[in-house]
Parts: sequence; C-alpha cells; structure tokens
Amino acid sequence: KNQVEQSPQSLIILEGKNCTLQCNYTVSPFSNLRWYKQDTGRGPVSLTIMTFSENTKSNGRYTATLDADTKQSSLHITASQLSDSASYICVVSAESSASKIIFGSGTRLSIRP
Amino acid sequence: GAGVSQSPRYKVAKRGQDVALRCDPISGHVSLFWYQQALGQGPEFLTYFQNEAQLDKSGLPSDRFFAERPEGSVSTLKIQRTQQEDSAVYLCAGAGTTKETQYFGPGTRLLVL
Repeated sequence: KNQVEQSPQSLIILEGKNCTLQCNYTVSPFSNLRWYKQDTGRGPVSLTIMTFSENTKSNGRYTATLDADTKQSSLHITASQLSDSASYICVVSAESSASKIIFGSGTRLSIRP
Repeated sequence: GAGVSQSPRYKVAKRGQDVALRCDPISGHVSLFWYQQALGQGPEFLTYFQNEAQLDKSGLPSDRFFAERPEGSVSTLKIQRTQQEDSAVYLCAGAGTTKETQYFGPGTRLLVL
C-alpha cells in the first residue's frame, strides 16, 4: 500500500532555533517528492519539489533532502521565525496518475518567542 | 485573479441537504484536483480533471459525491444528502500538468449538523 509517514506529529521550538522534519514513504514507483507548508485556514503552498535524481533542494531557510534508496526525506528549517508556525506536509507522487499523489498527515510546527 | 479561489469559504449544512462547492483555478491550468482534508490530517484525493475531462474519480467516497468542470475552467463539487462524516475542508488545486507544482485554493470548510 502506498503510504507517506511523517514525524514528529507536532513540534514546538523557540524562535531562532533550527529543526528537522522527517518523511518516510513506501510509494512506488517513485516520481517526485514535495514539501508543502499549510498555514491554519489556508491551502498548502509548495516549498520544494525533488525528483529521483535530486538529493537536496533549498528554498531560503528551508532545505529538503531526499534519499531514494531508503525512501526518506527531511525538511530542515534554519533560524526559525514566528511565521514558520504551520503544518508541513510531505507529498509523494508515484507516477503521472493523479490518484497516486499521496499526502502525509503533516507535522504541526509551533514557534515560540 | 492571481490565485485559486474557492467559494463559499464556510458552509454549514443540515444532514440530508445538498451542497455545491465552487473552485476557480488559475487561468490556463489544465489540471484540476479536488481533495478532502479531515481535521489534523493531510488532504486525500477525490477526483482529477484534465481540461473538461474527469480522468480519475477513484477517490470519491460515495455516489453522493459528484464533480464537474464543463468548460475546462471552473469546477463544482456537489455533495448530495450530506452526512456528518462529510464534514471536512474541501481543497481545490490546479496545475499545468500532473507533474507540476499544485496551486491550492484556501478551501471550503463544510460542517454538517
């Protein structure tokens, strides 16, 4: 069964600190992996997208890594800001079929001043 | 507009009532997706359109759910005889192709009493 598991489920850190969110997947055959940020009451917004051949991708203070062999990805946030408080969702696409875009349940990140 | 819009943003329905949720994607986005997002969970796929063609509706939970996109732009998700378990946020997303980044609308929060 195609699955995307994220950890931790929730995380609280102090403003200015770094953190790393994890994503493990069993989706096959793999096409691409995306990280989205979802603010409360809003739709998800894309942060990064990586294909099989890419093992790291940065977007400002966000850096995503991908290990296609172990089927693991991480999202590292540097020097966190209060505006980083949101849910971060890992999304894995198996192939061009639309129904095989699998969303994780997300990690709810809270940044404390 | 510059982004994906959805209406209404909030809908309270009595059990058994029919509802219609609207999505206005970004102009030129060929692909359109509908997702259902329960509280604290990631979005789950409902259905997918390429232009006006509904290519995949495998995620629709029952025959009470119906989606259309008659002119290949605006889409409507209709839920007949709503049940309490239909309460969720319904997200619409558009993309140039299925492999490209999806742009999400803010969602419609449906509460069935």
